[in-house]
Amino acid sequence: EVQLVESGGGLVQPGGSLRLSCAASGFTFSSYWMNWVRQAPGKGLEWVATIKQDGSEKHHVDSVKGRFTISRDNPKNSLYLQMSSLRVEDTAVYYCARGGASGSDYWGQGTLVTVSS
Amino acid sequence: DVVMTQSPLSLPVTLGQPASISCRSSQSLVYSDGNTYLNWFHQRPGQSPRRLIYKLSNRDSGVPDRFSGSGSGTYFTLKISRVEAEDVGVYYCMQGTHWPQVTFGQGTKLEIK
Repeated sequence: EVQLVESGGGLVQPGGSLRLSCAASGFTFSSYWMNWVRQAPGKGLEWVATIKQDGSEKHHVDSVKGRFTISRDNPKNSLYLQMSSLRVEDTAVYYCARGGASGSDYWGQGTLVTVSS
Repeated sequence: DVVMTQSPLSLPVTLGQPASISCRSSQSLVYSDGNTYLNWFHQRPGQSPRRLIYKLSNRDSGVPDRFSGSGSGTYFTLKISRVEAEDVGVYYCMQGTHWPQVTFGQGTKLEIK
């Protein structure tokens, strides 16, 4: 069974940092593009970042470029999102999701990041 | 960036009746390989999104055949032939043609009248 389990969310002050993790199981992690998608409270879905199977390509939405970095550790079947210089508008549930251009076929349960003073 | 525009944003439907959601893209979603990477997701309250349809019209495993996707170029439609109670929630279209710059529509909230 495919499972994606996010962790690392929490309350952080504006300007602070946080590292999200996603533990993958039930599939060959190293064979898939992986993504972070977020959802602000009461709002829609926003793609945040994606990373190629071997980590050689990384892409981030403009609003997080220079502040967030996606990475992966294939031997550990893990996906990460390093977030720094956090802003109030980064408050959201962050989902780890598997897949590429055909959309993500598996999603985690999400982890809530709250940026507030 | 490709902008995805859904309509309506709110969709009250009577049980057993059909429903239709439209999605327009600001650019063509036909990729050079001939595929159209237009996907549909459903999110129930308090749950993670679930993919229903990928590459325009392909239903995911376990998705009832009352759901169908269609369209071409820049105009797309998700149809539910007979709405059931479990269909409530928010539906999103998503383009992957311009991968890795993925964009979602604003979402359409389906509720039972």
